[in-house]
Amino acid sequence: EVQLLESGGGLVQPGGSLRLSCAVSGFTSSNHAFSWVRQAPGKGLEWVATFFHGDNADSRYAESVKGRFTVSRDDSKNTLFLQMNSLRAEDTAVYYCARTIVRFFGDYWGQGTLVTVSS
Amino acid sequence: DIQMTQSPSFVSASVGDRVTITCRASQDINTWLAWFQQKPGKAPKLLIYSAFILQSGVPSRFSGSGSGTDFSLTINSLQPEDFATYYCQQTDSFPHTLGQGTRLEI
Repeated sequence: EVQLLESGGGLVQPGGSLRLSCAVSGFTSSNHAFSWVRQAPGKGLEWVATFFHGDNADSRYAESVKGRFTVSRDDSKNTLFLQMNSLRAEDTAVYYCARTIVRFFGDYWGQGTLVTVSS
Repeated sequence: DIQMTQSPSFVSASVGDRVTITCRASQDINTWLAWFQQKPGKAPKLLIYSAFILQSGVPSRFSGSGSGTDFSLTINSLQPEDFATYYCQQTDSFPHTLGQGTRLEI
């Protein structure tokens, strides 16, 4: 069974850092690209970043997080990461990781982890 | 960036109705479009990808169409479990923008 499980969310002060993890199981993670999508309280979905698969360890970011967030992956541990630095109040959201297929369509999603940036 | 505009933002319907939600891209995205369903407190669920391909396990009352800039999601014979918020997302180019959502209520 395909599963994704995010962890690492919590309360952090503005300017602080947090690292989210997404542990995957039930498939070979190295065969897929992954995306992070967030949802601020009461708002719509916002694409955050995509990490490519295979030897192409490339990534793309939303302008709102570029330079502050970094995606990475450890395929040996079947885990994806989202390192978030210089956090702002507007980064407060539930963060989802998603496995992607075909052309980056998220077919399986984690349950999400809440990040709250507040003093 | 490609802007994705959904309409309507809110729709009220009854069990058994047919509902169509549209999504317009600000530029040609070929058929690189997905539709998601989201229920409160839950992760999004992929319904349709590549504009018209039904994701495995999704009921056949859901269908997608369109290419270029204009797309639609149709739900035939609404069921109680279909009342949720629906989003479109383009994956033609980064950033992979989503529509603002369409809330489907009874």
